[in-house]
Amino acid sequence: DQQVKQNSPSLSVQEGRISILNCDYTNSMFDYFLWYKKYPAEGPTFLISISSIKDKNEDGRFTVFLNKSAKHLSLHIVPSQPGDSAVYFCAAGNQAGTALIFGKGTTLSVSS
Amino acid sequence: GAGVSQSPSNKVTEKGKDVELRCDPISGHTALYWYRQRLGQGLEFLIYFQGNSAPDKSGLPSDRFSAERTGESVSTLTIQRTQQEDSAVYLCASSIGQISSGNTIYFGEGSWLTVV
Repeated sequence: DQQVKQNSPSLSVQEGRISILNCDYTNSMFDYFLWYKKYPAEGPTFLISISSIKDKNEDGRFTVFLNKSAKHLSLHIVPSQPGDSAVYFCAAGNQAGTALIFGKGTTLSVSS
Repeated sequence: GAGVSQSPSNKVTEKGKDVELRCDPISGHTALYWYRQRLGQGLEFLIYFQGNSAPDKSGLPSDRFSAERTGESVSTLTIQRTQQEDSAVYLCASSIGQISSGNTIYFGEGSWLTVV
């Protein structure tokens, strides 16, 4: 049973437009959420996180929104750039100290 | 080095052989994680070490998989009697203590295992 779901395996966006990547979770004990970005043949790198006490966190072009009642979070990238093309993983954890659980990832392609 | 270091970076092994994968976490990081990613799949949690606590082994797929960690340093993931389905990239990550706001885990570049 997948606790963290990324239902869109891929997303294509034009340069300059907004990219919206979605993630749903089932475990109500999760209270900390992160997004990671992965290029081929490299390890995932941390992008942005959000605690369950917030509903929005922004860092430059990247904004993460959390809707706890819907158990849903999304990553917005605006404006999208070709260098953003990568696989994006959503991850969830509990600050009491469990391991992070990752979704299956969404491949973002940004065309120029 | 400053980051998480994994070795070997690539390993091709024959079905039925045992393999060991090594991870050197970032110095001072008390938490260490192993994940794997099979082709076309997401990151699958395998095992989690946190300080001196008993490891969370809930993600290990079978008893052919085991992992050890020496204190708060090196970890070794061992796969016995490898099967073709074990082919994947095995990713190690570490973090300063438990995950919390402002904290995150840092990944190595992975060990690519191919079982033929």
